[in-house]
Amino acid sequence: QVQLQESGPGLVKPSETLSLTCTVSGGSFSSDYWSWIRQPPGKGLEWIGYIYYTGSTTYNPSLKSRVTISLDRSQNQFSLNLNSVTTADTAVYYCARVRYREGIYWGQGTPVTVSS
Amino acid sequence: QSVLTQPPSVSGAPGQRVTISCTGSRSNIGAGYDVYWYQQLPGTAPKLLFYANNNRPSGVPDRFSASKSGTSASLAITGLQAEDEADYYCQSYDSSLMVFGGGTKLTVL
Repeated sequence: QVQLQESGPGLVKPSETLSLTCTVSGGSFSSDYWSWIRQPPGKGLEWIGYIYYTGSTTYNPSLKSRVTISLDRSQNQFSLNLNSVTTADTAVYYCARVRYREGIYWGQGTPVTVSS
Repeated sequence: QSVLTQPPSVSGAPGQRVTISCTGSRSNIGAGYDVYWYQQLPGTAPKLLFYANNNRPSGVPDRFSASKSGTSASLAITGLQAEDEADYYCQSYDSSLMVFGGGTKLTVL
């Protein structure tokens, strides 16, 4: 059974870059999409983007100018970089595996606060 | 403003039946993209409830059912139980972009 674990700073200053890593265990990067999804406090889910196992990426148009998702097969990890953050980027960030016609399998999520 | 529209809240007494709607458009659900449903208990990550419109993963009680028609989908829960109190989200795709409903809070009275 695949497991996903997010890691990274829980506090980021405004205008800086939010960087998170997701470590995948019990599986490999093959035939799947690897995604980041976030949830601001008390609000709904927002898809950030995903990277295909080949390395191609697709981003939410509303965040595209600030987002980079990358893959490190040697470490079984994929990462999120979100630059020029503001308080509106405060959220729980989930990494996830998206499999065709099988839906989203979620990590446990990590809270990130943007504050000076 | 979410691409998929869900009612913000629904409620029902134990044992009753409730439904949650998910309304999309011709560019997402109506274009033939599958619909997925997730249950989020307080303080936890969402959990897959239905995949590919109406397929229930093992472990999900058959009190839950889902359907899709045209540009909409719906989730039904019969025999409501206290443990069903949670937030429910629908999800689909819109031109290869992942989209979510705004979520529906289910309260068991």
